[in-house]
Amino acid sequence: AQSVTQPDIHITVSEGASLELRCNYSYGATPYLFWYVQSPGQGLQLLLKYFSGDTLVQGIKGFEAEFKRSQSSFNLRKPSVHWSDAAEYFCAVRVTGANNLFFGTGTRLTVIP
Amino acid sequence: SAVISQKPSRDICQRGTSLTIQCQVDSQVTMMFWYRQQPGQSLTLIATANQGSEATYESGFVIDKFPISRPNLTFSTLTVSNMSPEDSSIYLCSVAYRDTYEQYFGPGTRLTVT
Repeated sequence: AQSVTQPDIHITVSEGASLELRCNYSYGATPYLFWYVQSPGQGLQLLLKYFSGDTLVQGIKGFEAEFKRSQSSFNLRKPSVHWSDAAEYFCAVRVTGANNLFFGTGTRLTVIP
Repeated sequence: SAVISQKPSRDICQRGTSLTIQCQVDSQVTMMFWYRQQPGQSLTLIATANQGSEATYESGFVIDKFPISRPNLTFSTLTVSNMSPEDSSIYLCSVAYRDTYEQYFGPGTRLTVT
């Protein structure tokens, strides 16, 4: 079955530490890939996207993500986390022939001082 | 990117009543969507709002429960009808441009049904 998997429900990191959030997808072809962030009580903000080309994409707020076709993964990374990064992070895909997004279950990030 | 506003931002409603949520975009967009985010869960697509015609609903969602209008390219409404506590969720409007494939979200409407 087609799916988007975020295996980590909750991650806690110390401020200044590096971060990697995992995302795996299961679709027949390479979909369009997205990462969104949702701060408490807020809507979703687009962090970055991958459509084609360079497999390492840069986004806003110092985030980057790497697409690995062989692993069907699109992991989100940040070299040094700030307290303001505490939020819920969603990986999403848009598959060929569909206009809407399919979302993973989300990863809640807690940042400790 | 698009600037999207939703009204109301939150509401507390009684069981059996209906609530209409408005979504306004600052530019003409190709596609508009309505998503539901139940407490502690991810987003689920309710329907695609089509301009001038009936919305396209996803499996598990029906027009009688979630009637949608889209009279033009910048505005849509979602009504949650005959509400029950199970309808307590955040409802998000989303827009997309066909040529860029990016999708943007409104701030959401937090609905509590008592």
